[in-house]
Amino acid sequence: GAGVSQSPSNKVTEKGKDVELRCDPISGHTALYWYRQSLGQGLEFLIYFQGNSAPDKSGLPSDRFSAERTGGSVSTLTIQRTQQEDSAVYLCASSPGTAMGNTIYFGEGSWLTVV
Amino acid sequence: DQQVKQNSPSLSVQEGRISILNCDYTNSMFDYFLWYKKYPAEGPTFLISISSIKDKNEDGRFTVFLNKSAKHLSLHIVPSQPGDSAVYFCAAKDSGTYKYIFGTGTRLKVLA
Repeated sequence: GAGVSQSPSNKVTEKGKDVELRCDPISGHTALYWYRQSLGQGLEFLIYFQGNSAPDKSGLPSDRFSAERTGGSVSTLTIQRTQQEDSAVYLCASSPGTAMGNTIYFGEGSWLTVV
Repeated sequence: DQQVKQNSPSLSVQEGRISILNCDYTNSMFDYFLWYKKYPAEGPTFLISISSIKDKNEDGRFTVFLNKSAKHLSLHIVPSQPGDSAVYFCAAKDSGTYKYIFGTGTRLKVLA
């Protein structure tokens, strides 16, 4: 597809289970971001990947959260031992690079509900 | 510490009138600013951007103004249409980083 693709679009999971969220960025985009929006909150930065550089994980809220990006393309965000406060929409975005003037393009999000 | 602030959580405007959405920032290193629109159950979509070398950028009904001395930007929509009803986020970054910092959003409702 032409845009950022995320799956699943909706996920309901029981507290304590692990979940994986997938992001397929726009073809050719080297930069990939994960953001999170909790109910009534703004977009919270989680992690950033750029090419083959080490990712910036500074936004991950706890060590239960991890992400990887394979082959410089698809990324997976993993949340282990989910908690109710993890309920949010997880948004992936990509951009052509990091130069000024680059817009980031978002996917439609993965809506996670932890019950 | 909220570096990008949208102090109005909501705004209602009559169709055909001007909508003005405001955004303040605290980091003087920010030099690139964007506005995104978000409909329910969808991801944010890019609307308009401005770099710090400009004080105004216009695209159709949308104009963004930047006041660097006041660390303030605003998005003007004129004329407002019911389809503009959405949550609007402003975002900022500086050219030395890749991290876009987002505000908490303003929910705009355009009344028919």
